[in-house]
Amino acid sequence: EAQVTQNPRYLITVTGKKLTVTCSQNMNHEYMSWYRQDPGLGLRQIYYSMNVEVTDKGDVPEGYKVSRKEKRNFPLILESPSPNQTSLYFCATGTGGVETQYFGPGTRLLVL
Amino acid sequence: RKEVEQDPGPFNVPEGATVAFNCTYSNSASQSFFWYRQDCRKEPKLLMSVYSSGNEDGRFTAQLNRASQYISLLIRDSKLSDSATYLCVVTRGQTSYDKVIFGPGTSLSVIP
Repeated sequence: EAQVTQNPRYLITVTGKKLTVTCSQNMNHEYMSWYRQDPGLGLRQIYYSMNVEVTDKGDVPEGYKVSRKEKRNFPLILESPSPNQTSLYFCATGTGGVETQYFGPGTRLLVL
Repeated sequence: RKEVEQDPGPFNVPEGATVAFNCTYSNSASQSFFWYRQDCRKEPKLLMSVYSSGNEDGRFTAQLNRASQYISLLIRDSKLSDSATYLCVVTRGQTSYDKVIFGPGTSLSVIP
């Protein structure tokens, strides 16, 4: 079964404590992307990757890092989380970029 | 001005009604356009791509007007299951790998 998985699904943490949200896909997709969704602002792209070792900034990359060491995984790293990073995060993957993009179930993050 | 704007909604329509959503984009270099559907705080799912010639998928019709830089989605014979938020999506560049901009979404409630 084609899947995009994210872990954890829910996380409460404190300011400054490094965390990683994992994203994994079993569809051999080249394209992967991270978004955050906030009320009134919609989905905003954080980072995206067109293939292994190829990443680029989206609209809101500040405070985030990513890596793409293998095709199936695209972790999102918050080195020093702050309360303004409280959000709903989605990972997405695709073969042709946006057109065939599949989203993971989302990760709800609360930074205190 | 936001790069992608949508009708604010919410739209409350009776079953069987026809409803139309509009979306405008500001970047004339945008080349790829899509409509996504998102159920309450779940992951977005691709509804349909939007082509210059217009395209139809069952009860759904999408249109693109490049000169006026707007996209529309028409839903005929609305069903209760159509209740969701509809997201207009535009790529900032010439390929579907370019940065992705989501509109804020329009909420639709179909009422029995």
